[in-house]
Amino acid sequence: EAGVTQSPTHLIKTRGQQATLRCSPISGHTSVYWYQQALGLGLQFLLWYDEGEERNRGNFPPRFSGRQFPNYSSELNVNALELEDSALYLCASSLEDMGRRGDYGYTFGSGTRLTVV
Amino acid sequence: GEDVEQSLFLSVREGDSSVINCTYTDSSSTYLYWYKQEPGAGLQLLTYIFSNMDMKQDQRLTVLLNKKDKHLSLRIADTQTGDSAIYFCAEDNYGQNFVFGPGTRLSVLP
Repeated sequence: EAGVTQSPTHLIKTRGQQATLRCSPISGHTSVYWYQQALGLGLQFLLWYDEGEERNRGNFPPRFSGRQFPNYSSELNVNALELEDSALYLCASSLEDMGRRGDYGYTFGSGTRLTVV
Repeated sequence: GEDVEQSLFLSVREGDSSVINCTYTDSSSTYLYWYKQEPGAGLQLLTYIFSNMDMKQDQRLTVLLNKKDKHLSLRIADTQTGDSAIYFCAEDNYGQNFVFGPGTRLSVLP
């Protein structure tokens, strides 16, 4: 079974540009979560999508947005990039009903490393 | 809001036991989790404990939960060089999303 896949693995953008990151969850998982892992700051929750709807949002400005498609894959868009947006962006998926059960937790992808220059 | 704290660094000798500690604030968390992140990789679920348990053992891993003090620990027996990684504890956020600690970087010395 394929795991959570993220693309691209690396992305270099110039300040002010837009970045689009993609995530494909495990087959059958309906929930997708996005986290930002900046150097020295741990994992910061960005967004949670389930069944195509945004369910929760972390403490990030509106230029961080995303969507979930009917096949449950997801995109994270970052507009007006700033240098401090440089980070590893991790996507995770879970079964919504069972996502809170320990056996499943979240399954993470390997991340997209975004560098803003 | 919810907050999860961990010490940032731990060094142990190969073959010794490692104990990674975590404190959390959300007493309503149903599950508490431990994740491992190796260099350049995403997070891998290591183990978890249900909030009504005090202890859970899984091969070399032992999780201890003190609900009164909101303290969680992960013990790795017979630590190997392959255990070198960053370890994150995480709690549920009222069923919304997980809240992660800052991660403990475990270095295993030969």
